Amino acid sequence: SQQGEEDPQALSIQEGENATMNCSYKTSINNLQWYRQNSGRGLVHLILIRSNEREKHSGRLRVTLDTSKKSSSLLITASRAADTASYFCATDPQGAQKLVFGQGTRLTINP
Amino acid sequence: EAQVTQNPRYLITVTGKKLTVTCSQNMNHEYMSWYRQDPGLGLRQIYYSMNVEVTDKGDVPEGYKVSRKEKRNFPLILESPSPNQTSLYFCATTTGLKEQFFGPGTRLTVL
Repeated sequence: SQQGEEDPQALSIQEGENATMNCSYKTSINNLQWYRQNSGRGLVHLILIRSNEREKHSGRLRVTLDTSKKSSSLLITASRAADTASYFCATDPQGAQKLVFGQGTRLTINP
Repeated sequence: EAQVTQNPRYLITVTGKKLTVTCSQNMNHEYMSWYRQDPGLGLRQIYYSMNVEVTDKGDVPEGYKVSRKEKRNFPLILESPSPNQTSLYFCATTTGLKEQFFGPGTRLTVL
């Protein structure tokens, strides 16, 4: 079963606005990661947040992690047309030897 | 340049005709895995390998085989492909923290 569940499944905003995507998971984790996928291409790692971290920044990306609620959010500020892609969260469950991916949020930035 | 390569990128074949999708990485990573991506089902792990000669089943291993005779290569073998194996396949390698590097993908169609 999927560990990570993204919300919303699809998001469409205007260029320059902020985009927020959420991820919920079920079991204890070592870390949580966010990936981006442009249509039909391989996933690209964006950011990793460890279970003992609450917030992390990378450029226009801000990730938060709430382990008590088993949830994470990805904020993209000042969105650009090039941010149009699908975004996936992936969890590294404790005791597992793999990442478990959610089904993704499809983000469309309208110029 | 660190990269994961897959071949072929596109393949159309017929039911029952054995095929191999190759995957090669130049990052000296020990952990490699194969995923398939299907609409509405997200990314699902097929097989993974933690080191040479060590492979293990992921979530959807039926109909697939893998081998890991050397560190850099992790081929995916479909002994008798069926139409339900039509999908987009990704090979990935990972560091100790499991940040994954993905190949460009192989789009397989089984008629």
